[in-house]
Amino acid sequence: KAGVTQTPRYLIKTRGQQVTLSCSPISGHRSVSWYQQTPGQGLQFLFEYFSETQRNKGNFPGRFSGRQFSNSRSEMNVSTLELGDSALYLCASSLAPSGAAYEQYFGPGTRLTVT
Amino acid sequence: QQPVQSPQAVILREGEDAVINCSSSKALYSVHWYRQKHGEAPVFLMILLKGGEQKGHEKISASFNEKKQQSSLYLTASQLSYSGTYFCGTEMNTGNQFYFGTGTSLTVIP
Repeated sequence: KAGVTQTPRYLIKTRGQQVTLSCSPISGHRSVSWYQQTPGQGLQFLFEYFSETQRNKGNFPGRFSGRQFSNSRSEMNVSTLELGDSALYLCASSLAPSGAAYEQYFGPGTRLTVT
Repeated sequence: QQPVQSPQAVILREGEDAVINCSSSKALYSVHWYRQKHGEAPVFLMILLKGGEQKGHEKISASFNEKKQQSSLYLTASQLSYSGTYFCGTEMNTGNQFYFGTGTSLTVIP
């Protein structure tokens, strides 16, 4: 079974631009979560989608948004990029949403650098 | 609501044992453990549920103290391949959000 895939793997953007990251979950997984990982802050939860509905959102500004499609693929968008948005963005998929005690499978991440 | 892990970092020699702790201030439904090697994505190790059920890696040992809202991961007879950053993740009794802990860097040296 193919794992979680994320595209692109690396991205360089300038301040003020916007970016869209994509995540394809493991086949059959309907839950997708996004995390921001930085050396100082660790893994910070961004949002979770299940069956095209956003179930949870972390403590991030409205510049961060996401969506999930009917095939469970998910995208996240960051508008008006700031230098502090430079991070590794990880996507994880699971059979069931959080609260059901199912393991998450992570993709390789998208490394975003904002200059 | 982010769980706190201790220690932040530990260095071991091959064959030594280590314990990594994860504490939450909220009542927990489950605790998950993941390991992330440098430059790679986190990989699932195990889940511990309220009530004592566990699922995951057969060679990994962990405990969940429901009264204290604490979990401990036990790494025995460590191998070089155990090196990485260990994260606990928690699901609470109320609310659905999943929180990762602060991380513990484990380095095993020959």
